[in-house]
Amino acid sequence: DAKTTQPNSMESNEEEPVHLPCNHSTISGTDYIHWYRQLPSQGPEYVIHGLTSNVNNRMASLAIAEDRKSSTLILHRATLRDAAVYYCILNAKDTGNQFYFGTGTSLTVIP
Amino acid sequence: DAGITQSPRYKITETGRQVTLMCHQTWSHSYMFWYRQDLGHGLRLIYYSAAADITDKGEVPDGYVVSRSKTENFPLTLESATRSQTSVYFCASSESRGGFEQYFGPGTRLTVT
Repeated sequence: DAKTTQPNSMESNEEEPVHLPCNHSTISGTDYIHWYRQLPSQGPEYVIHGLTSNVNNRMASLAIAEDRKSSTLILHRATLRDAAVYYCILNAKDTGNQFYFGTGTSLTVIP
Repeated sequence: DAGITQSPRYKITETGRQVTLMCHQTWSHSYMFWYRQDLGHGLRLIYYSAAADITDKGEVPDGYVVSRSKTENFPLTLESATRSQTSVYFCASSESRGGFEQYFGPGTRLTVT
């Protein structure tokens, strides 16, 4: 299964943009790129996903490199509620939709 | 209640005992999943199910049994619990395969003494 690499931790000041990187150099053409986040003592929560084009939703933006070997989750204005562990996950289109989580990036938001 | 629920939320059991964790979803999603999360780690897939009566192994299936007689329920059974199975267990569901959002339950914290 394709693997992802993320920094273990990042910090951001409140109300500033945050760019969370993810490397996935072994991505295949049918792999979706998903981002989930996990707040303390909660289950993971969907943030965004994409295949080839950049994506925007109310929570965040996903920027996908042209060669698809990396992506960046962008939180436009970090709030204290965005402090969480963020997981970048590859999911093959033609498989059973199972996800393989790495250890993610722990985001600290500084007031 | 609408959504995905897990029960119990907390469970303490002894080594060697059988324990079943329940998962129920109200969306009629085809796919359901069980993950475990150990302290300081990401989630690891135990088993998943594509539909009623269809299940398959994930990364770490040893020591676990699943069944899915109804679309909405996906119980996970530890037939003979071991201390290494102390973990937080998350159930999830998804509408379909590949590219679809997974919805996670609140988790069950299991301690095996």
